[in-house]
Amino acid sequence: GENVEQHPSTLSVQEGDSAVIKCTYSDSASNYFPWYKQELGKGPQLIIDIRSNVGEKKDQRIAVTLNKTAKHFSLHITETQPEDSAVYFCAASSNNQGGKLIFGQGTELSVKP
Amino acid sequence: GAVVSQHPSWVICKSGTSVKIECRSLDFQATTMFWYRQFPKQSLMLMATSNEGSKATYEQGVEKDKFLINHASLTLSTLTVTSAHPEDSSFYICSAIGNYGYTFGSGTRLTVV
Repeated sequence: GENVEQHPSTLSVQEGDSAVIKCTYSDSASNYFPWYKQELGKGPQLIIDIRSNVGEKKDQRIAVTLNKTAKHFSLHITETQPEDSAVYFCAASSNNQGGKLIFGQGTELSVKP
Repeated sequence: GAVVSQHPSWVICKSGTSVKIECRSLDFQATTMFWYRQFPKQSLMLMATSNEGSKATYEQGVEKDKFLINHASLTLSTLTVTSAHPEDSSFYICSAIGNYGYTFGSGTRLTVV
């Protein structure tokens, strides 16, 4: 089955700096790669996603890149703000696995003012 | 957008009793729902996949007789933790696939005392 590895586990940046979180996946059939932000005691919130037919996607300060050959994808947050502080999870799914969404280990992002 | 309502948001139960968690898709039909468990500072671990009208498919290592899943309608899936023990204390989250992709419930904090 699918295995998703996420790094780093913690990330501390100064307000205004950029943050990058990286994930690798194992199943070459995976075709959907969402990123979630989770605040304490709440369910995950989708912040951006990308499908395997696209190499990059951007939404204001957030971007995701996908390298299908290397089987890795990354989240880029620019001009970070204190309210970006949260735990971020990458995930991957494939139609072959019935759409099961498998999560990475998570990254605790801390943005210091 | 799509909404999944999950109840209760938190529950405390005595060891040996059973607890039922409900997830309802409010404005779409969810043919497939996923149930996750999340321990503190850890990732979301997929427990099972439920499809409306059929038996749930459990991930390896998840006891199907302990975690009973029912998906009797296109808008409701339930997870019952039977004979709960303190080690079952965790954050349980459901996710439904609809026209808008994956929609997560807000989670249920279960504490077994």
